[in-house]
Amino acid sequence: DGGITQSPKYLFRKEGQNVTLSCEQNLNHDAMYWYRQDPGQGLRLIYYSQIVNDFQKGDIAEGYSVSREKKESFPLTVTSAQKNPTAFYLCASRRDRDSPLHFGNGTRLTVT
Amino acid sequence: GQQLNQSPQSMFIQEGEDVSMNCTSSSIFNTWLWYKQDPGEGPVLLIALYKAGELTSNGRLTAQFGITRKDSFLNISASIPSDVGIYFCAGRANTGTASKLTFGTGTRLQVTL
Repeated sequence: DGGITQSPKYLFRKEGQNVTLSCEQNLNHDAMYWYRQDPGQGLRLIYYSQIVNDFQKGDIAEGYSVSREKKESFPLTVTSAQKNPTAFYLCASRRDRDSPLHFGNGTRLTVT
Repeated sequence: GQQLNQSPQSMFIQEGEDVSMNCTSSSIFNTWLWYKQDPGEGPVLLIALYKAGELTSNGRLTAQFGITRKDSFLNISASIPSDVGIYFCAGRANTGTASKLTFGTGTRLQVTL
């Protein structure tokens, strides 16, 4: 079955450490996205990539970095510069500009 | 930036009741999407709307694209316990090449027996 796989489901890190969240899709979608979700808030866009080897900052990119070396993969690194990294992170993709987003099942990151 | 107001924030209803929720935007959208999110999972697309005035159903769910293009409504008829979750609206203005989605803050639905 085609879909978006995020791993791990739960991630725990100490403050000051960088951590990388994985996102893989086998839908052959060109565009991929990373969102952050906090309680009581809508999804906020961190980074997006419309094609391999290209990505743009979203609304809350500070403290995050991404890469897009392969069409199927769009890993997100949460750096030590991110002030409040504890959150639920969602990866998404879509086939083309007018298609809806399809989401993975998320990674819950806890930084202590 | 664009803002989406989604209401109500939360609802407690009894099984069998009908449910209505809505989203309003400060600017015009060309696409409205409705998603449902179960606890600890990613949002799942329920209904996509692409034309002002469009009314679309998916089982017990019906959504409408407001004629002003600044609002959308989702109705759930005869609710059941598995309808519990958070419902998000999302809109897209199709400006520029990015065509980013703006999400509402969600409506948390709880169904009692």
